[in-house]
Amino acid sequence: EVHLVESGGGLVKPGGSLRLSCAASGFTFSSYSMNWVRQAPGKGLEWVSSISSTSSYIYYADSVKGRFTISRDNAKNSLFLQMNSLRVEDTAVYYCARASGYSSSWAFDIWGQGTMVTVSS
Amino acid sequence: SSELTQDPAVSVALGQTVRITCQGDSLRSYYASWYQQKPGQAPVLVFYGKNNRPSGIPDRFSGSSSGNTASLTITGAQAEDEADYYCNSRDSSGNHRYVFGTGTKVTVL
Repeated sequence: EVHLVESGGGLVKPGGSLRLSCAASGFTFSSYSMNWVRQAPGKGLEWVSSISSTSSYIYYADSVKGRFTISRDNAKNSLFLQMNSLRVEDTAVYYCARASGYSSSWAFDIWGQGTMVTVSS
Repeated sequence: SSELTQDPAVSVALGQTVRITCQGDSLRSYYASWYQQKPGQAPVLVFYGKNNRPSGIPDRFSGSSSGNTASLTITGAQAEDEADYYCNSRDSSGNHRYVFGTGTKVTVL
């Protein structure tokens, strides 16, 4: 069965750092681009970052660019998000999600259960 | 960057049909994908592309697209369909990003 399991969330002070991990199983991880999506409490979904299957292409939302770094280890079927200079507004549940598709048709077809990040003094 | 706009809330009587719409310039270039999210749970993909429903998603969920508007239709809504629904597409600004819609709360009466 296909699974994504996030870990690494927690409470951190503004300006601090946190590293999220996402462990994949049940599919050929190295064949898919992967993403981080977040959801602030009571708010909608926000795409954060994506990384291509071979790490050749990496993209970020403007809200996190320069502070967050996405990476992956295909040998370990793992996705990461290094979050630095954290702000109160980064408080959210962070989901990892697999992207599938081609050309003009894309979707996040597999999601993890999410990990909570709270930035507060 | 692109934006996707959805109505904040809609209601539907049990067994009736409801259509959720999503508007944005990126939909002229990319198909929308649709996600259902129930309280405290991760989103679930319910429809994507021109005409694709993931395995396990009931066939009462269908999608369509025209111009800058994508729609998700629930035909014969069930109590368990009460949830938040989000559309998503790639950003057509050429920045290879994704954008989510503002979300629609569906209430089944």
